[in-house]
Amino acid sequence: AQRVTQPEKLLSVFKGAPVELKCNYSYSGSPELFWYVQYSRQRLQLLLRHISRESIKGFTADLNKGETSFHLKKPFAQEEDSAMYYCALKRPGNQFYFGTGTSLTVIP
Amino acid sequence: NAGVTQTPKFQVLKTGQSMTLQCAQDMNHEYMSWYRQDPGMGLRLIHYSVGAGITDQGEVPNGYNVSRSTTEDFPLRLLSAAPSQTSVYFCASSLGQTVTFGSGTRLTVV
Repeated sequence: AQRVTQPEKLLSVFKGAPVELKCNYSYSGSPELFWYVQYSRQRLQLLLRHISRESIKGFTADLNKGETSFHLKKPFAQEEDSAMYYCALKRPGNQFYFGTGTSLTVIP
Repeated sequence: NAGVTQTPKFQVLKTGQSMTLQCAQDMNHEYMSWYRQDPGMGLRLIHYSVGAGITDQGEVPNGYNVSRSTTEDFPLRLLSAAPSQTSVYFCASSLGQTVTFGSGTRLTVV
């Protein structure tokens, strides 16, 4: 079965501190993984995808197939990073499975 | 392009009432889907469609019907609303790597 696990429902860090949002997956094939973000009162939007190996708003995420993880990291958290973050796994046929989300609060 | 448009934004229903949540996209995406977002449960897939005339069930389809008569529209019907269907509903469409979400419908069933 395909699964995406985000073990932390809530995460608080101080401004300027490093932040890591955890995501683990189980998938029998070759995974395509994404991070989506939902700012307060806004729609979900794509933050980054593993195949691009990009850095968006200072965030990076590396796919670790050995640990089946796709953790989201940022070295210095900013107040505007406070949001709900969802890890997502894409199956063939464009089906996306989302984790339960992590609510990040950056404390000034 | 408007992207994905959902209506209404808010709705209150009485138990047993029926209603349709509307979703339209103008990006000519083949794939469309409906999710519900609940605290601690994340986003759960209700129904999806890979193209006009084709629909299938997701993780939590019970109590919901969908149809896809055109590429643009993918309405979600609640036949007999229950308090357990109180949630925020998101419609999405996708082509290739990413998903475009609508702004959501907050539904309360009393």
